[in-house]
Amino acid sequence: EVQLVESGGVVVQPGGSLRLSCAASGFTFDDYTMHWVRQAPGKGLDWVSLISWDGGSTYYADSVKGRCTISRDNSKNSLYLQMNSLRNEDTALYYCAKESRDGFNFDYWGQGTLVTVSS
Amino acid sequence: QSALTQPASVSGSPGQSITISCTGTSSDIGTYKYVSWYQLHPGKAPKLMIYDVSKRPSGVSDRFSGSKSGNTASLTISGLQAEDEADYYCCSYVSGITWVFGGGTKLTVL
Repeated sequence: EVQLVESGGVVVQPGGSLRLSCAASGFTFDDYTMHWVRQAPGKGLDWVSLISWDGGSTYYADSVKGRCTISRDNSKNSLYLQMNSLRNEDTALYYCAKESRDGFNFDYWGQGTLVTVSS
Repeated sequence: QSALTQPASVSGSPGQSITISCTGTSSDIGTYKYVSWYQLHPGKAPKLMIYDVSKRPSGVSDRFSGSKSGNTASLTISGLQAEDEADYYCCSYVSGITWVFGGGTKLTVL
């Protein structure tokens, strides 16, 4: 059974930093591209970033480019999102999502971890 | 990239059919076949319901179907059941390695 479990969400002040983690199990982690998707309170889903199976390629939404770094450790079946210079608008539930073998969609998601940016 | 446009809410009675529309542009839905739909129940992980416009993942009921015409994609749920009550989001791949989601539609089963 595929499982994705996010952690690391906290309350942080504007300008602060944090690192989100996603522990993966139930599939061959290093075969798949992985993504982060977020949902601000009362808002829709918002794609954040992706990383290729080997970590060699990364992409970011304009809203987080230059402030976030996605990474992975295939030896630990783990995905990460380092977030810096946090803004109030980064407040959201952050989901880790696995890209399907067919590509271009997200076939498994975690339950999310909540990041709150507030002074 | 602007969000795709979905109705905020739709409703239907058990056994009925409903359709949720998702309107984009020629830069996303109009160009790519990579439209997907996700079901969100509160407190649970999102679930992929439709991918590549009209394909169903293994395990998803055939009551769920998808289609596309021009810049608009649609999700149809037939034979509505109480457990279908959830939020539904459409999503499209956009050139430049990015994805755009709709604003979400709350489905109420009356």
